[in-house]
Amino acid sequence: SQTIHQWPATLVQPVGSPLSLECTVEGTSNPNLYWYRQAAGRGLQLLFYSVGIGQISSEVPQNLSASRPQDRQFILSSKKLLLSDSGFYLCAWKDWTSGRTGEQYFGPGTRLTVT
Amino acid sequence: AQKVTQAQTEISVVEKEDVTLDCVYETRDTTYYLFWYKQPPSGELVFLIRRNSFDEQNEISGRYSWNFQKSTSSFNFTITASQVVDSAVYFCALSEAGDYGGATNKLIFGTGTLLAVQP
Repeated sequence: SQTIHQWPATLVQPVGSPLSLECTVEGTSNPNLYWYRQAAGRGLQLLFYSVGIGQISSEVPQNLSASRPQDRQFILSSKKLLLSDSGFYLCAWKDWTSGRTGEQYFGPGTRLTVT
Repeated sequence: AQKVTQAQTEISVVEKEDVTLDCVYETRDTTYYLFWYKQPPSGELVFLIRRNSFDEQNEISGRYSWNFQKSTSSFNFTITASQVVDSAVYFCALSEAGDYGGATNKLIFGTGTLLAVQP
């Protein structure tokens, strides 16, 4: 069966520091991968998605970037964190063979607090 | 533009009561997909159901049931005989019809409904 991991689970970082959040998926090949942010107020915002190694699409211009160095690894980064980057970051995967019908499966999330 | 509205911000019920969570969507696509997710206090989103736009049959799974009505663009979720473990934030989502096999079928989420079930 497929599992999705995220780490760290929680993170407290000062403004201006770098960021690296990691997401890995097991039990599937060539998944579609997604990064979401959930700020206070519960709305989920899609940040990036990827259909393959090195292929990243950005949804909103911001202080963050994403990379996919391996098939089942998705990394969210920042060179300098802002206070507004605080939130709950969720990684998700989808079976690429499911096409447009497929549901996304989410990881446990990383809670980031920028101080 | 696609949009999902969950007008109920918070709902509080007493255990064993039935509760319905409302979801209204907007889309120009003729083919689309609707989803419900549950987010318990731990934070992970749990997939509950997917519904295709061409299938208006209601669905029941244990204490959960879903009512899809294209005429009113609604996809409501009912929990029968609620339990404390049902306490969570529930999200309704809409998937754009993108290219087959691609990641362009992004999920557009509503703002969620916080359900609190009191013992």
